[in-house]
Amino acid sequence: GAVVSQHPSWVICKSGTSVKIECRSLDFQATTMFWYRQFPKQSLMLMATSNEGSKATYEQGVEKDKFLINHASLTLSTLTVTSAHPEDSSFYICSARKAGYSTDTQYFGPGTRLTVL
Amino acid sequence: ILNVEQSPQSLHVQEGDSTNFTCSFPSSNFYALHWYRWETAKSPEALFVMTLNGDEKKKGRISATLNTKEGYSYLYIKGSQPEDSATYLCASPPGYNQGGKLIFGQGTELSVKP
Repeated sequence: GAVVSQHPSWVICKSGTSVKIECRSLDFQATTMFWYRQFPKQSLMLMATSNEGSKATYEQGVEKDKFLINHASLTLSTLTVTSAHPEDSSFYICSARKAGYSTDTQYFGPGTRLTVL
Repeated sequence: ILNVEQSPQSLHVQEGDSTNFTCSFPSSNFYALHWYRWETAKSPEALFVMTLNGDEKKKGRISATLNTKEGYSYLYIKGSQPEDSATYLCASPPGYNQGGKLIFGQGTELSVKP
């Protein structure tokens, strides 16, 4: 159990368009989902924390109007990169957890490679 | 700001070699240490969650130890196999009651040659 899917796995778009990435927990209900971004040769950088039914909490330096997060159900969170530009090209990965402790495992999706031309 | 560091950044070993790498974290305000294995084109997979000083956990040929007083954890792989090739990530919560957030190290990329 504890499978997380992410769609699409890769996307190429033109500058100025918006791209939506979906993160789904397939066999469990996720109280919280997290969105990370990874630059080449760097660690996973937390962008935001998404709780079902409430507004996402963004990390310092992450533009909430640029990266719109919606967590409409206990199994689905979406990240929309609005008006994407080449500097938004990156690897985006989501994770989900079942309950509310610091020892809880996060279950990851396989990630989405975004390329903005 | 919590800083989690891993070393080495990459490691190349021969099949059958045993290997280990390090995760360092601030010893103050420690709550938990997570290890993940991330194979190319797959999802990161949870290996261990450790909380107690002196704790040792094992999963097959992989084991991990934790020293919260000095702020480090070691991950050991005994008799490395090509299928162990992956990036190994460690992560720690930035503090108490942080909503499950984790701060990740840069990872150690392990390559095991047959």
